[in-house]
Amino acid sequence: GAGVSQSPSNKVTEKGKDVELRCDPISGHTALYWYRQRLGQGLEFLIYFQGNSAPDKSGLPSDRFSAERTGESVSTLTIQRTQQEDSAVYLCASSLGVGVEWEAFFGQGTRLTVV
Amino acid sequence: AQSVTQLGSHVSVSEGALVLLRCNYSSSVPPYLFWYVQYPNQGLQLLLKYTTGATLVKGINGFEAEFKKSETSFHLTKPSAHMSDAAEYFCAVSDQRGGADGLTFGKGTHLIIQP
Repeated sequence: GAGVSQSPSNKVTEKGKDVELRCDPISGHTALYWYRQRLGQGLEFLIYFQGNSAPDKSGLPSDRFSAERTGESVSTLTIQRTQQEDSAVYLCASSLGVGVEWEAFFGQGTRLTVV
Repeated sequence: AQSVTQLGSHVSVSEGALVLLRCNYSSSVPPYLFWYVQYPNQGLQLLLKYTTGATLVKGINGFEAEFKKSETSFHLTKPSAHMSDAAEYFCAVSDQRGGADGLTFGKGTHLIIQP
């Protein structure tokens, strides 16, 4: 597609339920990032995928969070047993590898509300 | 390690006045620096970036920023504010050319334009 697409745009879930967030990167982009944006805060790095390499999971806040990516396509971020502190906007970005012209393109985010 | 400090969580200017949003960074290697804008309920849009070369970079919507290595700063300016500039602005740094850590963001500055 023309840009990074995320779904759903909004998700309200009950505490303790699992949620799955989807990101469709720009076609051909080898790198994909997930960030979390809590209300009034900056963006917090969660996880990074680069091609077929093992993902960098160093930003995941707990073992309730996991993410997968099939090749260089769609990624899903899963949050198990959601807690109220998981409420945030989850942003996905993709980029064309690394280099001097590196730039991350962001989707519009998924606003997650845990009630 | 890298970090970004944005001075002022909220900045208010009158329409037509100068906009100045401050950003200071720390990085162990020559940085790539970025300014992103986020309009309500939308994802992040790249305003401008500094990678190499000219230290004064021009972006979209009349914004520009100057990389000052001696001051470790990358302040964003616009000569004349417009009502449509009201948004959240994020400064970000990358020291791995978009590698594993991607971007490190500041906490953002909410720009308010007074009529």
